[in-house]
Amino acid sequence: AQKITQTQPGMFVQEKEAVTLDCTYDTSDPSYGLFWYKQPSSGEMIFLIYQGSYDQQNATEGRYSLNFQKARKSANLVISASQLGDSAMYFCAMSTGGGADGLTFGKGTHLIIQP
Amino acid sequence: DAGVIQSPRHEVTEMGQEVTLRCKPISGHNSLFWYRQTMMRGLELLIYFNNNVPIDDSGMPEDRFSAKMPNASFSTLKIQPSEPRDSAVYFCASRILAGGMNEQFFGPGTRLTVL
Repeated sequence: AQKITQTQPGMFVQEKEAVTLDCTYDTSDPSYGLFWYKQPSSGEMIFLIYQGSYDQQNATEGRYSLNFQKARKSANLVISASQLGDSAMYFCAMSTGGGADGLTFGKGTHLIIQP
Repeated sequence: DAGVIQSPRHEVTEMGQEVTLRCKPISGHNSLFWYRQTMMRGLELLIYFNNNVPIDDSGMPEDRFSAKMPNASFSTLKIQPSEPRDSAVYFCASRILAGGMNEQFFGPGTRLTVL
């Protein structure tokens, strides 16, 4: 069975600062994928970034980067130069089977960006 | 391009009634997922299909829940009979089942309230 742990229920960050959201995972499958999704107050689920377990380099998508440390089983999301619009719930998720299976989600981190 | 379409967006029903949630995946996507989100349990995978075939239904909570995918462009999730504890937001997501293409695109969700 796989498990995702997000230890930060909530975070307050000043606008324009960088943010790191923590995520650790556990699985016995050697082939898996790690995902981050954003859920604003409106409720939709927005895909941010993906990292495959065999990817050699950390994934980046614009202001988002994923700090993948395989030996520590961590997949932290880094948001550079935070903006007010980044305020939302952030979910870390994992999919085994090479990233093709359904997603197992963490409990989420509620990020609030303050002006 | 239209994203994942779910209907209805909101459903209020009384305990014991049958509820049917509908999903139209993105055209060309051949994997479809049903998730449920509650405050208590977070986001949970219920079932997913590859090429219209159910692959993993271990997340379906009880026999009261059933899901079908009669063709590549339509899926239903049925609850019969419904109970108050089924109240949740139900998300449908789809993706392309191909190497390296692991992003799941989520629909807007159906907010179900069972009185």
